Amino acid sequence: DVKVTQSSRYLVKRTGEKVFLECVQDMDHENMFWYRQDPGLGLRLIYFSYDVKMKEKGDIPEGYSVSREKKERFSLILESASTNQTSMYLCASRSTNTGELFFGEGSRLTVL
Amino acid sequence: KNQVEQSPQSLIILEGKNCTLQCNYTVSPFSNLRWYKQDTGRGPVSLTIMTFSENTKSNGRYTATLDADTKQSSLHITASQLSDSASYICVVTPSGGSYIPTFGRGTSLIVHP
Repeated sequence: DVKVTQSSRYLVKRTGEKVFLECVQDMDHENMFWYRQDPGLGLRLIYFSYDVKMKEKGDIPEGYSVSREKKERFSLILESASTNQTSMYLCASRSTNTGELFFGEGSRLTVL
Repeated sequence: KNQVEQSPQSLIILEGKNCTLQCNYTVSPFSNLRWYKQDTGRGPVSLTIMTFSENTKSNGRYTATLDADTKQSSLHITASQLSDSASYICVVTPSGGSYIPTFGRGTSLIVHP
């Protein structure tokens, strides 16, 4: 089975702190995605990556950056966390064969 | 702009009853449409995939339909169970370009005993 693992299920950070959210997939997928999910708004795309060292902005990239140094790992970085970044963050990788997205369990971030 | 609209926003039904969730999209050109199920506090999981040439596809008690002409899809759940309580998300992927999926906001289904 495909496994997408997110490093932390729950995080509490203070305003201005730097936050790293890590995501690792074990199926050699080229495409990986970071979304945030807020009540009533659904999943919104922050960044995606087609392959190692490649990244593209999604719909809401402001305040975020990403890193893809290895194929299996896609990291989301909040340089200076703000309260409006309190959210559920979901990482996904996509099968090249079927196009199916495989999601991690999510990281719930609270910024105080 | 590509959009996916789902209705209803939320739904409450009794265990054992059937229900139908709707999805309308404007994504073009169209590649495929997937329905995902997201349990509370978990990541979404794919239920079905529909391509342009498919009208109906079943996965156990879940049956998805697609009308590519009107750009509508539905997800029918038969004989609902308590474990069906979840959010159901319609996701449409374009063909060509970046192949970036467009997500609906989901339908929250609650099944009561």
